Amino acid sequence: GQQVQQSPASLVLQEGENAELQCNFSSTATQLQWFYQSPGGSLVSLLSNPSGTKHTGRLTSTTVTKERRSSLHISSSQTTDSGTYLCAIVSNTGANTGKLTFGHGTILRVHP
Amino acid sequence: GGIITQTPKFLIGQEGQKLTLKCQQNFNHDTMYWYRQDSGKGLRLIYYSITENDLQKGDLSEGYDASREKKSSFSLTVTSAQKNEMAVFLCASSIRGREQYFGPGTRLTVL
Repeated sequence: GQQVQQSPASLVLQEGENAELQCNFSSTATQLQWFYQSPGGSLVSLLSNPSGTKHTGRLTSTTVTKERRSSLHISSSQTTDSGTYLCAIVSNTGANTGKLTFGHGTILRVHP
Repeated sequence: GGIITQTPKFLIGQEGQKLTLKCQQNFNHDTMYWYRQDSGKGLRLIYYSITENDLQKGDLSEGYDASREKKSSFSLTVTSAQKNEMAVFLCASSIRGREQYFGPGTRLTVL
């Protein structure tokens, strides 16, 4: 079935360092979203980026559709960036057509 | 802008009990979703609905019922709570095929 793989599983940084999170998926994505989940919190959509590069604040997402991968770059990390980052795609093939499929997430911890 | 509300925020049940979770959205979105999130795992789709009175099974529908009473609300029922079950249930809504917006979640604990 359709899979979304995220790496690394967890990441520990010092405040001010940059983070690079990866998302690879097994089928063509018509939509790709990056979400942030604070510990015990709900999901907040960060970026919707099915192709190309998008920026918002300190976040940059680059999706290469043909290679079925996306990255999320966090520049100058802050302690408040700590939490789980989830990648999710919508595919137009197979049993999951039209549905959002999530990866297991990358847990980010930023130390002061 | 809009908001998604989920009630209750915390739900404690007994084994075998039937439990109902509610979700309301004021985005005027046509599609609504219920996901389950277990610790250390991604979200799994339980049910979704593309319009009022519509219901579509997700990957994890066994053991659950759902009801889209009107466009703005989508309920999920755990038909028989399993002992020691702990999970977060997240409701979301979207214009079909577009970005999904999530509610704050209902945290379920079964004693």
